[in-house]
Amino acid sequence: EAGVAQSPRYKIIEKRQSVAFWCNPISGHATLYWYQQILGQGPKLLIQFQNNGVVDDSQLPKDRFSAERLKGVDSTLKIQPAKLEDSAVYLCASSPPMEDTQYFGPGTRLTVL
Amino acid sequence: AQSVTQLDSQVPVFEEAPVELRCNYSSSVSVYLFWYVQYPNQGLQLLLKYLSGSTLVKGINGFEAEFNKSQTSFHLRKPSVHISDTAEYFCAVSGGATNKLIFGTGTLLAVQP
Repeated sequence: EAGVAQSPRYKIIEKRQSVAFWCNPISGHATLYWYQQILGQGPKLLIQFQNNGVVDDSQLPKDRFSAERLKGVDSTLKIQPAKLEDSAVYLCASSPPMEDTQYFGPGTRLTVL
Repeated sequence: AQSVTQLDSQVPVFEEAPVELRCNYSSSVSVYLFWYVQYPNQGLQLLLKYLSGSTLVKGINGFEAEFNKSQTSFHLRKPSVHISDTAEYFCAVSGGATNKLIFGTGTLLAVQP
């Protein structure tokens, strides 16, 4: 079974630029999560989708971050404009229906200069 | 609100020695508890989880954890570590309607020869 796929793996941008990350969850997984992991900290949930609907986006900085999950499969996370403090690893995870375990992708490491 | 505390940011240990990584949680609702491992430049991999039933949970790679409700703890143990166990270990809790994971700040297990 293929795991959660993310791209790109690494991205370097300058502040005030825009960036987008892509996630393809495990086939059949209805729930998709985006986490932000700042160096030295545990991952923090940014947004949770159930199929293509948002379940929780309470910690998403909506003035600059946006996410969508069209057709309930792939998802993109966008930052516009980026700030220095957005430097982090962005992790995507998915879970199957009626299961609590989340399966994580390899992450995208973002460096904002 | 839920929270997780990992008291040790780093645990050095010699190869073949036993190790315990500590995790304490707080929650006003019933919880599920997880331990994830993160190798350098990789995503998170599930080690083990407690959902209900037996308080002693066995996971992959010889790890086990014990859920202690009275002490609100979920410590991770391994009787004999290997160099390959060197990684960051995260304790996490979920509960409530969305099953959002709340992570601790992580413990770096550094196994020395």
